[in-house]
Amino acid sequence: QQPVQSPQAVILREGEDAVINCSSSKALYSVHWYRQKHGEAPVFLMILLKGGEQKGHEKISASFNEKKQQSSLYLTASQLSYSGTYFCGTGSGAGSYQLTFGKGTKLSVIP
Amino acid sequence: SAVISQKPSRDICQRGTSLTIQCQVDSQVTMMFWYRQQPGQSLTLIATANQGSEATYESGFVIDKFPISRPNLTFSTLTVSNLSPEDSSIYLCSVVPGLHSYEQYFGPGTRLTVT
Repeated sequence: QQPVQSPQAVILREGEDAVINCSSSKALYSVHWYRQKHGEAPVFLMILLKGGEQKGHEKISASFNEKKQQSSLYLTASQLSYSGTYFCGTGSGAGSYQLTFGKGTKLSVIP
Repeated sequence: SAVISQKPSRDICQRGTSLTIQCQVDSQVTMMFWYRQQPGQSLTLIATANQGSEATYESGFVIDKFPISRPNLTFSTLTVSNLSPEDSSIYLCSVVPGLHSYEQYFGPGTRLTVT
């Protein structure tokens, strides 16, 4: 079943923060986050596994609430380069590599 | 990660014909997949390309329409057969490089337009 992403779209000014949510009605083992710019392939950002730690780079981090079957992607002090469509992909079990993707969240960062 | 290439990068095909898309990886990978992304939409998994055996198709996708080969651990092809305008999409291969990792990386995609 397709995970639900929210919001569908968001506009930020440079330096502002954003949170993108991904929720599923079924139990999850893994959540994968990707960013896709127009005309390009999705780029892997990070993966969170059941029982694993919260992941993060300097300004992009994510959490995974296994009980609620939800994940959130946190973008802080946004830059123009953050613009794109963010997809979460979910995996349902250990040893399952097949992903089901949400509809995406379009993020636009303006000067 | 892995370096993934796809050929062709784009093509325009006539209704009723077929297109074969190649996916080449610069190193041996555990898993390879084929996805479809219709314009402005999300990614939908077509099938898992299994090395040395028949592909595993997702609901709504059949072998007669989307035959897949994977002769070794670095290469796979997807054929889209009997093309109709509804097949106009971007087709992407993805790979899971490592045995003990779930990280999945996408190729650059093939943009197919059916006229």
